[in-house]
Amino acid sequence: ETGVTQSPTHLIKTRGQQVTLRCSSQSGHNTVSWYQQALGQGPQFIFQYYREEENGRGNFPPRFSGLQFPNYSSELNVNALELDDSALYLCASSPGGVDEQYFGPGTRLTVT
Amino acid sequence: EDQVTQSPEALRLQEGESSSLNCSYTVSGLRGLFWYRQDPGKGPEFLFTLYSAGEEKEKERLKATLTKKESFLHITAPKPEDSATYLCAVQAPSSASKIIFGSGTRLSIRP
Repeated sequence: ETGVTQSPTHLIKTRGQQVTLRCSSQSGHNTVSWYQQALGQGPQFIFQYYREEENGRGNFPPRFSGLQFPNYSSELNVNALELDDSALYLCASSPGGVDEQYFGPGTRLTVT
Repeated sequence: EDQVTQSPEALRLQEGESSSLNCSYTVSGLRGLFWYRQDPGKGPEFLFTLYSAGEEKEKERLKATLTKKESFLHITAPKPEDSATYLCAVQAPSSASKIIFGSGTRLSIRP
């Protein structure tokens, strides 16, 4: 059974640019959540997708957007990057709900 | 405002020295409380879900307990491989999909 994978592992972008991060969910999981984790902090909920529809959103501006595909993989898009967007971006999949989420290794984004 | 506070921020123990990590929360109508373990440079790894006061769950040297205001993660006779950051999180009553994490406790076990 393949776990949750994310790509790329690391990314460096310039302020104002746009970025797309990708996540492949664990087999059989139809729910994907995205989190932002700053250094030394716990993850912060960005949004969740369930069967290709957004199913809840945290306190993040509209320049953070996402997609979920029919195979339940997902993308996180961030427009107009700011320095404060530098963080570890985690995706987590589950077979439904949030009772037991499986996290990927994350994408480390650095904005300069 | 829904909030999760973990203490201590960091804890250093000798191998075999048992202790407890604390997670206090201020949410009305708790739907679920979660414990995760996170190793450096990796994503969190699920440990436990607790739903109601009085509930307890165990896994190897770890035991999680829940009251109406806080949860404890008890670690018995820890080993160096238990060194990690332990994260507590609650399911927001306002949104079933939203999980609120604490900042974590960095646990270090010396041989």
